[in-house]
Amino acid sequence: EDQVTQSPEALRLQEGESSSLNCSYTVSGLRGLFWYRQDPGKGPEFLFTLYSAGEEKEKERLKATLTKKESFLHITAPKPEDSATYLCAVRAPGGSQGNLIFGKGTKLSVKP
Amino acid sequence: DSGVTQTPKHLITATGQRVTLRCSPRSGDLSVYWYQQSLDQGLQFLIQYYNGEERAKGNILERFSAQQFPDLHSELNLSSLELGDSALYFCASSQTVNTEAFFGQGTRLTVV
Repeated sequence: EDQVTQSPEALRLQEGESSSLNCSYTVSGLRGLFWYRQDPGKGPEFLFTLYSAGEEKEKERLKATLTKKESFLHITAPKPEDSATYLCAVRAPGGSQGNLIFGKGTKLSVKP
Repeated sequence: DSGVTQTPKHLITATGQRVTLRCSPRSGDLSVYWYQQSLDQGLQFLIQYYNGEERAKGNILERFSAQQFPDLHSELNLSSLELGDSALYFCASSQTVNTEAFFGQGTRLTVV
């Protein structure tokens, strides 16, 4: 069964303390991996799309990378405003989960 | 602003009632998805449409139904509501079945 697992479930960082979030997937026929940011009570906000192993995308303090089995979201020198839940999703041929399958997310807290 | 519009933003209704949630996708997007998110829960896939046709179905209750109209807007109908149906309901849209999806801000449904 197609599956997406994110770790850790929660991460507490001090402002400026860089770290990485992990998204591992088992999908037959990956058709893209997506990162989103979700603030409480809000809709997920699209961050990045990755299609091929070795691909990297950057936006401000965030950098996403992709291998054949996992993706990392690296956060460099985070600020309190980076606090949010980060979601990973993969596209696969449609099934009971649809073709956009989400992980449960990593809740990031950045303390000043 | 993602360009996906959901109405209403908030809805309070009684058990046993029926409600309709509406979604207008981004201009040019052909695919629409519906997700349910309960308190501290992940995104649960309900159903996906592509250009008016149902494409994938998740664990959508029989009391729930949806459709996508010729102008590509979509409606999610929830009937015989129960307390446990209280949740955030998100709509998302994507240009094709392989591109990134953009989420609306959600409809917060409270069943009392």
